[in-house]
Amino acid sequence: EAQVTQNPRYLITVTGKKLTVTCSQNMNHEYMSWYRQDPGLGLRQIYYSMNVEVTDKGDVPEGYKVSRKEKRNFPLILESPSPNQTSLYFCASSQAANSPLHFGNGTRLTVT
Amino acid sequence: SQKIEQNSEALNIQEGKTATLTCNYTNYSPAYLQWYRQDPGRGPVFLLLIRENEKEKRKERLKVTFDTTLKQSLFHITASQPADSATYLCALYTGGFKTIFGAGTRLFVKA
Repeated sequence: EAQVTQNPRYLITVTGKKLTVTCSQNMNHEYMSWYRQDPGLGLRQIYYSMNVEVTDKGDVPEGYKVSRKEKRNFPLILESPSPNQTSLYFCASSQAANSPLHFGNGTRLTVT
Repeated sequence: SQKIEQNSEALNIQEGKTATLTCNYTNYSPAYLQWYRQDPGRGPVFLLLIRENEKEKRKERLKVTFDTTLKQSLFHITASQPADSATYLCALYTGGFKTIFGAGTRLFVKA
């Protein structure tokens, strides 16, 4: 089954404790992206990747890092999480940047 | 910068009626526009894509229109069912490897 898999689904952590949210897709998609979703603000793009070893900032990249060492994986790293990063995070992939996106089921992060 | 506006108020309709959701955008018209459905606790799911040279697109009970003069897209669900209750998101590919999303409109279909 074609899918984007994120882990974990729920994560509660404390300020400053480094964490990684994993994302993997099995569709051989070149393009992958991370979004955060907050009430009233919709989905906002954090980072995206056009291919292996090629990444760039989206609209809200501060406090986040990503890497793309393999085509299928695109982890999101929070080196020093802060409470304002409490949000619902989605990973997405597509055949190309202008193709419809396939989303994972989200990771709900709470930073206290 | 490009912005998308969707009605933040929930839309409540009776089963069997047609639901119409609105997406307005500012600035330039995108090459195409997409609609997604999102259920609580789940990721958005792609529904339809309409190009700027297409006035209307249909898929089963769904219909999307695209008016580049008004800078608006309308999303219709005909013969609505309670299972259609969800949040519907409008999205634009802005170029530069970015797709931006509206905040979505929540639809409730009552039996």
